[in-house]
Amino acid sequence: QSVLAQPPSASGTPGQRVTISCSGSSSNIAINIVNWYQQFPGMAPKLLIYYNNQRPSGVPDRFSGSKSGTSASLAISGLQSEDEADYYCAAWDDSLDGWVFGGGTKLTVL
Amino acid sequence: VQLMQSGAEVKKPGASVKVSCKASGDTFTHQYIHWVRQAPGQGLDWVGMIKPSVGKKKYAQKFQGRVTLTSDTSTSTGYMELTSLTSEDTAVYYCIRDYDNKGPGYWGQGTLVTVSS
Repeated sequence: QSVLAQPPSASGTPGQRVTISCSGSSSNIAINIVNWYQQFPGMAPKLLIYYNNQRPSGVPDRFSGSKSGTSASLAISGLQSEDEADYYCAAWDDSLDGWVFGGGTKLTVL
Repeated sequence: VQLMQSGAEVKKPGASVKVSCKASGDTFTHQYIHWVRQAPGQGLDWVGMIKPSVGKKKYAQKFQGRVTLTSDTSTSTGYMELTSLTSEDTAVYYCIRDYDNKGPGYWGQGTLVTVSS
């Protein structure tokens, strides 16, 4: 049972816009930054979004993050086949005094 | 930023494992090094973090008493030791350097730890 709740799966067709949600609480997302990670099978995760909505250099601007209250979202516009991967949200939790992750969302490009 | 982790390990139940993580350049000392594990087919599980410059550490509650994070600033290497291993500890263990003090950012390649009798 993950502290941050994500849908287990999401899908879209090429060119479409897809959003992945991440639901938390008053001790994590509401008061701390949210990061997003992308993971391909057999590979280490990669930082996709940090500080709620910032992209590290090299990450396409098709990827965007947002946060409102106790929830955060990752949006992918102009969906491409190479976006098919697992996506995880993460945030610091003041009650647990540590980082917590969502359970991950498997994105399928149809 | 590059993080190079030690190789795969196979351990028996009850044993301990120590995984190393060598960081490039001066990127090691002043930011947190995190450890995260991923069991086969499962999600990411934060283990703990250490700031090598001051030795400050935090551990996830579920690993308290079983995990020890250490670092050697002279060699820019971090270590994670996990004791009293069970089959449930079978996972890939990642070390990750903070991204500009904003949480886990740069990931190592991962170290597979298999616990089996």
